Amino acid sequence: GENVEQHPSTLSVQEGDSAVIKCTYSDSASNYFPWYKQELGKRPQLIIDIRSNVGEKKDQRIAVTLNKTAKHFSLHITETQPEDSAVYFCAASGENYGQNFVFGPGTRLSVLP
Amino acid sequence: KAGVTQTPRYLIKTRGQQVTLSCSPISGHRSVSWYQQTPGQGLQFLFEYFSETQRNKGNFPGRFSGRQFSNSRSEMNVSTLELGDSALYLCASSSGTRMPGELFFGEGSRLTVL
Repeated sequence: GENVEQHPSTLSVQEGDSAVIKCTYSDSASNYFPWYKQELGKRPQLIIDIRSNVGEKKDQRIAVTLNKTAKHFSLHITETQPEDSAVYFCAASGENYGQNFVFGPGTRLSVLP
Repeated sequence: KAGVTQTPRYLIKTRGQQVTLSCSPISGHRSVSWYQQTPGQGLQFLFEYFSETQRNKGNFPGRFSGRQFSNSRSEMNVSTLELGDSALYLCASSSGTRMPGELFFGEGSRLTVL
């Protein structure tokens, strides 16, 4: 089955700096890779996603890159702000898997003022 | 649109008991999936229901079961509770196509097993 690894487990950056979180997956059939943000005590919410027919996707300060050959994808946050502090989860799923996602263990991002 | 609603939000049970959790998806969403969230194991997929049928199942023992009603509301049941079942149980709804897409999570039901 699919296995998703995520690094680092914790990340501290100064406000205004960039943050990068990396995930690797094992199943070459996976073709959808979302990123969820979970603030303390809140529900996970989708912040960006990418499908395997695209190498990069950007939404304002957030971008995701995908390398299908190496089976890894990364979340990039630029100009970090204190409200970016949260746990970020990557996930992978494949066509016909429905909503069966394999999540990474999460990265706790702290943005220091 | 109202979001995903889960009840109860908090509950405490003792070992050996059973528990039923409820989830009302976003109106128009036909797929409901359930995830277990723990500090040690992260988010783990339990099962997905679509049109009252279980479409996918994760690697959890048979003590974990679920169902979906004709109005897309879903329930999950855990029988013979164990201490390790203490977790946040998250329900997520989605439009229901076979292609994976955005999950809309509820606030979760936090279960404590004593």
